[in-house]
Amino acid sequence: AQSVAQPEDQVNVAEGNPLTVKCTYSVSGNPYLFWYVQYPNRGLQFLLKYITGDNLVKGSYGFEAEFNKSQTSFHLKKPSALVSDSALYFCAVRVSGGSYIPTFGRGTSLIVHP
Amino acid sequence: DTGVTQSPTHLIKTRGQQVTLRCSPISGHKSVSWYQQVLGQGPQFIFQYYEKEERGRGNFPDRFSARQFPNYSSELNVNALLLGDSALYLCASSPGLTGVDTEAFFGQGTRLTVV
Repeated sequence: AQSVAQPEDQVNVAEGNPLTVKCTYSVSGNPYLFWYVQYPNRGLQFLLKYITGDNLVKGSYGFEAEFNKSQTSFHLKKPSALVSDSALYFCAVRVSGGSYIPTFGRGTSLIVHP
Repeated sequence: DTGVTQSPTHLIKTRGQQVTLRCSPISGHKSVSWYQQVLGQGPQFIFQYYEKEERGRGNFPDRFSARQFPNYSSELNVNALLLGDSALYLCASSPGLTGVDTEAFFGQGTRLTVV
């Protein structure tokens, strides 16, 4: 079985400040991990992924995420938040070499205040 | 590259009716996946099709069915609609037989409301 937890329903941050959106996962095997962003009335937009290799993954729009195997976490980060980053963020996981069925977290609403 | 297109964008149906949702993948992509996103939750996997064959199925009742055509477009059918089927239905396109282990591209979704 595989699961994803996004412990925060909402994250509030001031523009220009660093942001972190948390994600922890559970899989029976090596994980493939992903972050997607969803703007209002839009589909999901891919941000970044971890497959293997360097634990720090860089993605679109200045976002990055750090894979931590011991803590089974894959937190999304950005050094300086923009108001335009306000959206719904989803973490997803599937197990390497296993079922292609991905599991998404419930999502975290990021609100960046001017 | 016109992206993943889904139709219609919005739909209102009555309980007990049937609905068909359509998806056209990115040109050259051979895999299409369907997801249901209920308000306040993450997307739930329904089906994956690759080369016109079903390659994965999520935990959904038999009222849900899908198919993929020779041009790789896909239809999702839901019979005997329930109020709980109200959701955003997302289609994802990818080059090959993958879930989200590569850059799956999502359409804008079809918002289905069952009344």
